[in-house]
Amino acid sequence: NAGVMQNPRHLVRRRGQEARLRCSPMKGHSHVYWYRQLPEEGLKFMVYLQKENIIDESGMPKERFSAEFPKEGPSILRIQQVVRGDSAAYFCASSDPLGKENGELFFGEGSRLTVL
Amino acid sequence: DQQVKQNSPSLSVQEGRISILNCDYTNSMFDYFLWYKKYPAEGPTFLISISSIKDKNEDGRFTVFLNKSAKHLSLHIVPSQPGDSAVYFCAASRTNSGYALNFGKGTSLLVTP
Repeated sequence: NAGVMQNPRHLVRRRGQEARLRCSPMKGHSHVYWYRQLPEEGLKFMVYLQKENIIDESGMPKERFSAEFPKEGPSILRIQQVVRGDSAAYFCASSDPLGKENGELFFGEGSRLTVL
Repeated sequence: DQQVKQNSPSLSVQEGRISILNCDYTNSMFDYFLWYKKYPAEGPTFLISISSIKDKNEDGRFTVFLNKSAKHLSLHIVPSQPGDSAVYFCAASRTNSGYALNFGKGTSLLVTP
C-alpha cells in the first residue's frame, strides 16, 4: 500500500497520559502535515514538517503538543497529559513539493483519539 | 473563527439529478479553493480545485464555480450517482501557504437510487 499510513487507527487514553500518533507519508513524499478534526467540525491545520524540520507550527496548541519528522522513520505527533478536549480525529497528509503548491494533499485514514 | 462555511450540513438528491454543494468564505486573501470527499472511517480525498484567476473548472461529472465578488463557490455533480454519497469538504488557502488548508465543516451528500 503506497498511501499515507497512520497508526494507531484508534487510541484510548486516560486523562494525564501521553498519546503518540504515527504517520508514514506516501512513497516519494517528503512533506508531512497534521490536521485535527474535532467532533462536528472541519479539519484544522496543526503543523507542517519536512525531514528534521518544522516548517510551520502555527496551528499547534502552545502547550502539551509536539511533532517531529526524523531523518529515519515516521512522523510523530505527541500529546502530553491528554485532556478530554483532545479527543478528536488526527489526520496526517503528505505531498511532494509540487503538490504542496497546488494544495493537493494526500490524507491518511486518521487516528481517532478518545480521552476518558 | 470559521473562515470557510458550509451552511448545509446535509443534502439528499436522486440518482441522475444534479447535486449542488455550496461554500462561502470570509478571508479575501484566499486564492486557491479545493473540494475534498470523505467516506466514513477514511481520510479526505482530493476531488477538484480552482484558482482565483478562474471562475470555473471542470473534471468529468464535477464542476466547481467560483464567484470572488460574493466570496462563494459551489460544486456541481452531474449526474449524481449513489457512489457519490459522502461528506464533501470545501477548503481554501493562500498560495504562499497552500498546505494550511482552511476547511469547512462539510456537507453530507446522500444520493438515493
